[in-house]
Amino acid sequence: KQEVTQIPAALSVPEGENLVLNCSFTDSAIYNLQWFRQDPGKGLTSLLLIQSSQREQTSGRLNASLDKSSGRSTLYIAASQPGDSATYLCAAMTTDSWGKLQFGAGTQVVVTP
Amino acid sequence: KAGVTQTPRYLIKTRGQQVTLSCSPISGHRSVSWYQQTPGQGLQFLFEYFSETQRNKGNFPGRFSGRQFSNSRSEMNVSTLELGDSALYLCASSFESNTDTQYFGPGTRLTVL
Repeated sequence: KQEVTQIPAALSVPEGENLVLNCSFTDSAIYNLQWFRQDPGKGLTSLLLIQSSQREQTSGRLNASLDKSSGRSTLYIAASQPGDSATYLCAAMTTDSWGKLQFGAGTQVVVTP
Repeated sequence: KAGVTQTPRYLIKTRGQQVTLSCSPISGHRSVSWYQQTPGQGLQFLFEYFSETQRNKGNFPGRFSGRQFSNSRSEMNVSTLELGDSALYLCASSFESNTDTQYFGPGTRLTVL
């Protein structure tokens, strides 16, 4: 059974610092890993999807890496801004459970001006 | 291109009643997945539909059911509501749920009194 863990649960950084968010998963048999952002009371916004054959994916200030052998993914956000304050969730799509994303509990990020 | 829409956005029901939630996927998407989000359990997978067929179901009681129509719109139904069913219900659409980005709607906030 896939288990996804995100540490730390909360993080506070001053504006301009780089953010590093960690995600670990127990089952390396995945189709892909996805990163999402959730603002309070809202739905999820897709940030990046990394296919199992890829090592990293980039979009603007965001970069996500994937290491299946160690069961880890890391999301880097460069030069953080107050607008980056949100909860960040990672989710793994395993090969033995069709269409089911297994989510971590999320990391709540606060970027202070 | 319109995003995923969910109706209604907010719902208040009493114990024992039933409720139907609706999800309209992004045009062209044939896969719809449903998730329940609560503070205690996080995001949990309910079921996934593709071309009107349920391909996977999560560990929820039979009171939770769903269906998908020929235009890919999906509904989920919860019968005999319990207090613990209070949650944010999110649906996500994609071309193919296992390999493509899942795009989430804003959710339906269900409160059971």
